[in-house]
Amino acid sequence: GENVEQHPSTLSVQEGDSAVIKCTYSDSASNYFPWYKQELGKRPQLIIDIRSNVGEKKDQRIAVTLNKTAKHFSLHITETQPEDSAVYFCAASKPGTGFQKLVFGTGTRLLVSP
Amino acid sequence: DSGVTQTPKHLITATGQRVTLRCSPRSGDLSVYWYQQSLDQGLQFLIQYYNGEERAKGNILERFSAQQFPDLHSELNLSSLELGDSALYFCASSVAAGGRDEQFFGPGTRLTVL
Repeated sequence: GENVEQHPSTLSVQEGDSAVIKCTYSDSASNYFPWYKQELGKRPQLIIDIRSNVGEKKDQRIAVTLNKTAKHFSLHITETQPEDSAVYFCAASKPGTGFQKLVFGTGTRLLVSP
Repeated sequence: DSGVTQTPKHLITATGQRVTLRCSPRSGDLSVYWYQQSLDQGLQFLIQYYNGEERAKGNILERFSAQQFPDLHSELNLSSLELGDSALYFCASSVAAGGRDEQFFGPGTRLTVL
């Protein structure tokens, strides 16, 4: 089945720096790649997603890139702020008519220091 | 607030017992998903229901079962509980059941098995 690896497990940056989190997936049939942010004690929340027919997507300070050939995708956060501190999860899903099975990475704990 | 509700917020029980977790999806959402989040396993997909039908299964133990009722709320039943079942259990919902639908997570139920 699908396997998603995520690196690094922890990332510490200074406020204003950029942060990059990388994920690789094993199943070339996967075509949906969401990123979730989970603050301490809270629910995971979707922050951005990308579908396999595009290579990059941006939303203000957040961007995601996808390399289908290499089977990896990355989350880029620019001008980081202390409120970006959280655990970030990548996930991958194969096409499904009538079903969806998200396989999550193990998470990256991002700490942004003021 | 995602619009997905889960009860109870916390549950403390003993090994060998049985518990039921409840989830109400966002208004209009037909799919419900259950996830288990533990410290060493990350977010694990358990099962998906769509409009009352089981649509996808993940790494769900035989001791666990779920159902979705006509009013679309869902229940996750955990029986013969073991210490290792202690975790945060999330429910998520989406409008449809397809492979690229955004999932909205509930606040979770924290289960502690003593």
